[in-house]
Amino acid sequence: AIQLTQSPSSLSASVGDRVTITCRASQGISSALAWYQQKPGKAPKLLIYDASSLESGVPSRFSGSGSGTDFTLTISSLQPEDFATYYCQQFNNYPLTFGGGTKVEIK
Amino acid sequence: QVQLVESGGGVVQPGRSLRLSCAASGFTFSSYGMHWVRQAPGKGLEWVAVISYDGSNKYYADSVKGRFTISRDNSKNTLYLQMNSLRAEDTAVYYCAKDGAGGDGYNLWGQGTLVTVSS
Repeated sequence: AIQLTQSPSSLSASVGDRVTITCRASQGISSALAWYQQKPGKAPKLLIYDASSLESGVPSRFSGSGSGTDFTLTISSLQPEDFATYYCQQFNNYPLTFGGGTKVEIK
Repeated sequence: QVQLVESGGGVVQPGRSLRLSCAASGFTFSSYGMHWVRQAPGKGLEWVAVISYDGSNKYYADSVKGRFTISRDNSKNTLYLQMNSLRAEDTAVYYCAKDGAGGDGYNLWGQGTLVTVSS
């Protein structure tokens, strides 16, 4: 199975900060990657699909990039509602797999 | 209203069975692949299984292969997960999720249903 390694596992940031989360795949997955945001007690929410396409209704401060094995999710200016846990997921091969998550906390 | 609503969770003893359901509404259910994803308490997300739009293709995580069965009834707009030989490590919130129309990613999730495996 393809392993996805997210880093960091957690970070502290302030409102207005630029935040970057990385996701590294154990083998090439082309652009078959999605990013989700999850808040406590809630289902995940799709932010980015196909590595860099912004899901409808998601603020433009979120962006995704990368292909092959290295991917990034960037939040250009962190807002109070962005404090949450973020996950990447690969769709290149079954079994599908998720990264371990990155918790973004308030500094 | 476009939504997925899971049901069927609860407390079950190890070795017993449980069937989860996911009722879909507001979209053409029969056109989309559907997935189950679970999350153990305080842990990350784990993909469980997928079924193609017409039920002809199914794939499973190694951790559930041979014990869980995914199925669907397009006439009832409902997705199922039959879980047999349940173990303590199957304790989790189970979400159903819909394939996106435009690419890879789940653009619709249910609210989740909690399965607790305990004696």
